Amino acid sequence: SQQGEEDPQALSIQEGENATMNCSYKTSINNLQWYRQNSGRGLVHLILIRSNEREKHSGRLRVTLDTSKKSSSLLITASRAADTASYFCATRLYNQGGKLIFGQGTELSVKP
Amino acid sequence: GAGVSQSPSNKVTEKGKDVELRCDPISGHTALYWYRQSLGQGLEFLIYFQGNSAPDKSGLPSDRFSAERTGGSVSTLTIQRTQQEDSAVYLCASSWSGEGNEQFFGPGTRLTVL
Repeated sequence: SQQGEEDPQALSIQEGENATMNCSYKTSINNLQWYRQNSGRGLVHLILIRSNEREKHSGRLRVTLDTSKKSSSLLITASRAADTASYFCATRLYNQGGKLIFGQGTELSVKP
Repeated sequence: GAGVSQSPSNKVTEKGKDVELRCDPISGHTALYWYRQSLGQGLEFLIYFQGNSAPDKSGLPSDRFSAERTGGSVSTLTIQRTQQEDSAVYLCASSWSGEGNEQFFGPGTRLTVL
């Protein structure tokens, strides 16, 4: 079964609003990564947060990690229509090589 | 430099035929991964290569699936006797090593089994 569960499954907002997506996982992780996917094809890496980190920023993106609750959130501030995509969290487990285990994803729609 | 490339971009085949999917990773990346994405199952890990060795094949769904990597570069995923449930987008990714670095994904191969 999938390690990560994301909510909401779908999110629709207006341009300029903030979008928050949440990810929960089941077992201890080495790191957690967020990816974006447009049109059901290749994924683009957004940000990686290690298990000993609590928050990370990259441009308009802010990721938090709470290992005690086994959860992470991705915040996109001042959203744009171009942010419309599916967003996936992926976890890398200890002693599991480099493979990633993906959540089911959140489909974000930003309306102009 | 060039990103991860995959070929073909689309493949339509008849049930029972064999197919080969190719992945060209980013030059110098030692780790290579295959994933599969389908509506019902989401994004699933299939197999991981470090160099030419595959230390983790745990995601291959059946013995009809196999993969190899040669010269620490190109990888081929082979599906024998395809079934309709094999229809999915097959994604390849590479990274500098298997240890916690970001993975760079190719555009995928959309496989349709009729």
